[in-house]
Amino acid sequence: DAGVTQSPTHLIKTRGQQVTLRCSPISGHKSVSWYQQVLGQGPQFIFQYYEKEERGRGNFPDRFSARQFPNYSSELNVNALLLGDSALYLCASSFLARVIGTEAFFGQGTRLTVV
Amino acid sequence: GDSVTQMEGPVTLSEEAFLTINCTYTATGYPSLFWYVQYPGEGLQLLLKATKADDKGSNKGFEATYRKETTSFHLEKGSVQVSDSAVYFCALSDRDSGGSNYKLTFGKGTLLTVNP
Repeated sequence: DAGVTQSPTHLIKTRGQQVTLRCSPISGHKSVSWYQQVLGQGPQFIFQYYEKEERGRGNFPDRFSARQFPNYSSELNVNALLLGDSALYLCASSFLARVIGTEAFFGQGTRLTVV
Repeated sequence: GDSVTQMEGPVTLSEEAFLTINCTYTATGYPSLFWYVQYPGEGLQLLLKATKADDKGSNKGFEATYRKETTSFHLEKGSVQVSDSAVYFCALSDRDSGGSNYKLTFGKGTLLTVNP
């Protein structure tokens, strides 16, 4: 079975531009979460979607938005990019919305560089 | 808010040495605790977990015990191998106001290098 797939793997954008990152969860998983991992830091929670509804949001500005599609894939959008948005963006999928009683599987991430 | 503090790296060991990576946490409720591992060029993988006090999580020779009295979840392995070289993250998940756990709070990670 395919794991969590993210695209693209690498991306370079200019300050002020907009970017869309994509995630396909493991087949049968209905929950997708997004995390930002700045170099040298642990991942920070951005969003969780379950059954196409937002279930949680981390402490990120409104420039960050996401959505989940009927096939449970998800997009993360970031507008008006700043240099500080440069990071590895991780997607995690799980069968249930909660972390307990189910395992979150992570993709390899999208490396975003803002110049 | 919730937070996780783990020992600063990098940690460099010789093969077959004993490993300890310290992790302490702050949470308002009764969190579940996790260790994730990130091998070079790969995503995060769940290594082990514990959901209540005094539980011991174990996998691939690694162990960690949930210590509520010391708010700790230290990772240990008796004999490390070169293939254990990776970044290790301690994480917690606490119940939100709605009573469900939906996000992970991670520490900064500890880079482990094991030399032959």
